Amino acid sequence: GAVVSQHPSWVICKSGTSVKIECRSLDFQATTMFWYRQFPKQSLMLMATSNEGSKATYEQGVEKDKFLINHASLTLSTLTVTSAHPEDSSFYICSAPTSGPRDEQFFGPGTRLTVL
Amino acid sequence: AQKITQTQPGMFVQEKEAVTLDCTYDTSDPSYGLFWYKQPSSGEMIFLIYQGSYDQQNATEGRYSLNFQKARKSANLVISASQLGDSAMYFCAMRGTGANSKLTFGKGITLSVRP
Repeated sequence: GAVVSQHPSWVICKSGTSVKIECRSLDFQATTMFWYRQFPKQSLMLMATSNEGSKATYEQGVEKDKFLINHASLTLSTLTVTSAHPEDSSFYICSAPTSGPRDEQFFGPGTRLTVL
Repeated sequence: AQKITQTQPGMFVQEKEAVTLDCTYDTSDPSYGLFWYKQPSSGEMIFLIYQGSYDQQNATEGRYSLNFQKARKSANLVISASQLGDSAMYFCAMRGTGANSKLTFGKGITLSVRP
């Protein structure tokens, strides 16, 4: 199946700093990617839809200025958590859909962010 | 709007036995897809099985099968011959029409397989 990578897999940062997470589709092109956030023992919450060459579409309640999304190419989307605070600590996962019989979404391995 | 409901509390099953994980859904889309994902403690989302709304037969993938009852809007996952490695969180999800449609997830079910 298609492969989606994420980098870094985990990151620890100080409060007030910004953190960039990369999501890459390794063997296919993705005009759209999705960014999710997951708290322990909870479901995935869609944060935004990343669109190549245009602005991201954010879900209700997600701060655009806090979570900056850039989809610069057909294989790369980045999520930047700006001025991170401890409450931003979470597991962030990206996914990219492929065209096919199932229109399946392939997920990255996730990034665990801890803000001290 | 799409909604996925998973209401079972944590599930326990004896190794080598079968277990059913429940999922009901609601949508106004005439065409949709239903997915089950497994999430072990490592956090990765592992695709298990897919059922299209117009598929006539229930989907099967190895030890996984999907009991799709369209009229009842249910899409239960059946895992046969449980293994210790099946212990994980399981999510039911739905996608509307189109490859770029977003997935709506249920809250998940924790499955523990006992030796």
